[in-house]
Amino acid sequence: GAVVSQHPSWVICKSGTSVKIECRSLDFQATTMFWYRQFPKQSLMLMATSNEGSKATYEQGVEKDKFLINHASLTLSTLTVTSAHPEDSSFYICSAYGDFQFFGPGTRLTVL
Amino acid sequence: RKEVEQDPGPFNVPEGATVAFNCTYSNSASQSFFWYRQDCRKEPKLLMSVYSSGNEDGRFTAQLNRASQYISLLIRDSKLSDSATYLCVVTSNQAGTALIFGKGTTLSVSS
Repeated sequence: GAVVSQHPSWVICKSGTSVKIECRSLDFQATTMFWYRQFPKQSLMLMATSNEGSKATYEQGVEKDKFLINHASLTLSTLTVTSAHPEDSSFYICSAYGDFQFFGPGTRLTVL
Repeated sequence: RKEVEQDPGPFNVPEGATVAFNCTYSNSASQSFFWYRQDCRKEPKLLMSVYSSGNEDGRFTAQLNRASQYISLLIRDSKLSDSATYLCVVTSNQAGTALIFGKGTTLSVSS
């Protein structure tokens, strides 16, 4: 089956630093990838749709200058959380669209 | 009204029990419907798609009622390994690619 990887799987950083998360589709090409965020005991919330070769589409309430998305190739999308703060601590999950949406294993971000 | 609403749970059942989860969605234009399973601190994994005709996969049966905007999941003969959070998911865009997740219903199966 299709596999999507994420790196890193977890990260702890100081407030004010930037963190980059990579999402890769390993055995298929994905023109569209999605970034979700999940707070404890909450549902996954779609943050943005990442389109290869074009700008990402952000959901309402998601700051595009804070969550930078780059989809430079058909197998890689990156999410950079700029100037991270404790309230950005969450579980970030990407997905890549093949026949279905396949999810990466997630990245747990903790901002101190 | 939330886009996708589910039973709050948690559901605590013994092994062998039959359990049903319900879900309603607000967008009548939703195209596709799914049940995902999410284990603690893991990514969601597709359990099954849901069709108007109803579909069954082993012990799992899913139903969709478009008129009522209602989706259900029935699990028969519950196993310990069924313990997880079950997410009701609908698509929000015409392409059917953007997923809207319910908050999930937690199932705990005990021996």
